[in-house]
Amino acid sequence: EPEVTQTPSHQVTQMGQEVILRCVPISNHLYFYWYRQILGQKVEFLVSFYNNEISEKSEIFDDQFSVERPDGSNFTLKIRSTKLEDSAMYFCASSGRQGNQPQHFGDGTRLSIL
Amino acid sequence: GQNIDQPTEMTATEGAIVQINCTYQTSGFNGLFWYQQHAGEAPTFLSYNVLDGLEEKGRFSSFLSRSKGYSYLLLKELQMKDSASYLCAVKGSSASKIIFGSGTRLSIRP
Repeated sequence: EPEVTQTPSHQVTQMGQEVILRCVPISNHLYFYWYRQILGQKVEFLVSFYNNEISEKSEIFDDQFSVERPDGSNFTLKIRSTKLEDSAMYFCASSGRQGNQPQHFGDGTRLSIL
Repeated sequence: GQNIDQPTEMTATEGAIVQINCTYQTSGFNGLFWYQQHAGEAPTFLSYNVLDGLEEKGRFSSFLSRSKGYSYLLLKELQMKDSASYLCAVKGSSASKIIFGSGTRLSIRP
């Protein structure tokens, strides 16, 4: 069964540095998402992306964050000037279309900011 | 505002049936999802309801009442591997964003 793949599985970075989290969505999917889950807390929506542009973003997704689809397969989340509170599990998801199509999640990248 | 409520923890016995409830208040409604999440892993899609009524898929069923802002996930013939968090999630008026509840941690005892 096709799946969403994310790399790296774990990223450790010094505070203030930039990180890029990478995702390869399911190949025939058109909608892409990033969520984060701080340890012990709920899954939180960050951003959705369709047709090479952001379709929706949450209040968490401020100027520190950006997303890009640099080629036909990868979808990236860049976090600039990382802060301690950015430490979380970051999940990429994709869906075939909106509505009743479920969002399929990757295994996540655990980001640890030191 | 948007709010999703579900019990924090539940315990059930192997082989039994358990019902996990979820109530929601959202601006608009475009469907309700249930996901399973094992500790340290990604959420896995279980079910989707957009119309009132029951959706059955093997050992798992999900029910929706839009007028009451209420859903439940029913798990039958519980197995030890069903020990996980179960996340209720709603797509409100947004075209794409899903709002997740805090999840119900289900523990299965032998």
